[in-house]
Amino acid sequence: QQQVRQSPQSLTVWEGETAILNCSYENSAFDYFPWYQQFPGEGPALLISILSVSDKKEDGRFTIFFNKREKKLSLHIADSQPGDSATYFCAASLNYGSSGNKLIFGIGTLLSVKP
Amino acid sequence: AQTIHQWPVAEIKAVGSPLSLGCTIKGKSSPNLYWYWQATGGTLQQLFYSITVGQVESVVQLNLSASRPKDDQFILSTEKLLLSHSGFYLCAWSLGVSNERLFFGHGTKLSVL
Repeated sequence: QQQVRQSPQSLTVWEGETAILNCSYENSAFDYFPWYQQFPGEGPALLISILSVSDKKEDGRFTIFFNKREKKLSLHIADSQPGDSATYFCAASLNYGSSGNKLIFGIGTLLSVKP
Repeated sequence: AQTIHQWPVAEIKAVGSPLSLGCTIKGKSSPNLYWYWQATGGTLQQLFYSITVGQVESVVQLNLSASRPKDDQFILSTEKLLLSHSGFYLCAWSLGVSNERLFFGHGTKLSVL
């Protein structure tokens, strides 16, 4: 049973557009939601994260919108650049800050930004 | 600055052969260490984690084992590879006691034939 779902599986946008990547989860106890960015042949790197006490988090061109009631969140990438082309993973965990906490990853969204 | 190094970069192995993958973290004492597995085009599945030397917790059973012989070293191994072991193996470390921010290595691509 997949606890973290992502959609779409792949997304193509033109340079300058806003890319919207969606994520939903099942466990209402999840309290921490990071997004990781992965380029081919490399390990993922943390892009931006949000705690369940917030409904929005911004970092430059990247914004997370979080809806706790609907158990949904989305990553918006404004002014998309070809260099943003990568796979984006939504993840979730509970008991933020506790030892041995496990992150559960979604299947990822492959983003392609066309120049 | 902390660095994480995984070896080898890639491996092609026969079914039934043994495997040993390694990971070294420099510049951070007593990190939490993790092994993740990623199928081609797939999600990341945590396999093991370790919070201290000599202690390793298994998260899923995939006929693999892990050990932490030194504070900065994490080893993933098996005596007999299966076809299903193919994929991308990622070592990661985290600050403090939880994995709220994971720092991944560049990974090892394993092909089992």
